[in-house]
Amino acid sequence: ILNVEQSPQSLHVQEGDSTNFTCSFPSSNFYALHWYRWETAKSPEALFVMTLNGDEKKKGRISATLNTKEGYSYLYIKGSQPEDSATYLCAFHNTNAGKSTFGDGTTLTVKP
Amino acid sequence: DSGVTQTPKHLITATGQRVTLRCSPRSGDLSVYWYQQSLDQGLQFLIQYYNGEERAKGNILERFSAQQFPDLHSELNLSSLELGDSALYFCASGPSGRALDEQFFGPGTRLTVL
Repeated sequence: ILNVEQSPQSLHVQEGDSTNFTCSFPSSNFYALHWYRWETAKSPEALFVMTLNGDEKKKGRISATLNTKEGYSYLYIKGSQPEDSATYLCAFHNTNAGKSTFGDGTTLTVKP
Repeated sequence: DSGVTQTPKHLITATGQRVTLRCSPRSGDLSVYWYQQSLDQGLQFLIQYYNGEERAKGNILERFSAQQFPDLHSELNLSSLELGDSALYFCASGPSGRALDEQFFGPGTRLTVL
């Protein structure tokens, strides 16, 4: 059983705050790490697909980094807005196929 | 709108019954993935198909089966349903079926087993 852990479980911040959360995964047999954004009553939406150690990806105010040697990825949100409120999931792939193991997610609430 | 469609949106059935969930991938995508989200568990990968062939398998129960048809739509069949099968079932699609593919999720089918 692969252990993919996300921390913190939940986070409450004020509008304008910057925040970050962590996804930890096994450091062996790494193929890819996916980050998703999942708003309530909607379906998961892909944010990033990270494949190389040292990868840094950015989409607007959201960015992510990857360290495959130590088995973690960080997701950063700069200047959080209420519309960033969602659950952020990571999914670890240890084969070059679709089988993945998801973390339980970090639920972010941004207060206006 | 991801371009992935799932039907039905909601399904209510009784224990012991059999249901079929349907998924149509985005235009051009060859791979389909099925996921389950139960109340007490996170998102769980069930099975992946690529161009009609099974590509990867997760913790899918023997009572569950899936297939992908020549037109690339996929069906997930759930039989001998139990109360614990009540969950949100998502289908996602991707172009090549590899780990680096971005996956696009459908709106989900909510199954309630009474």
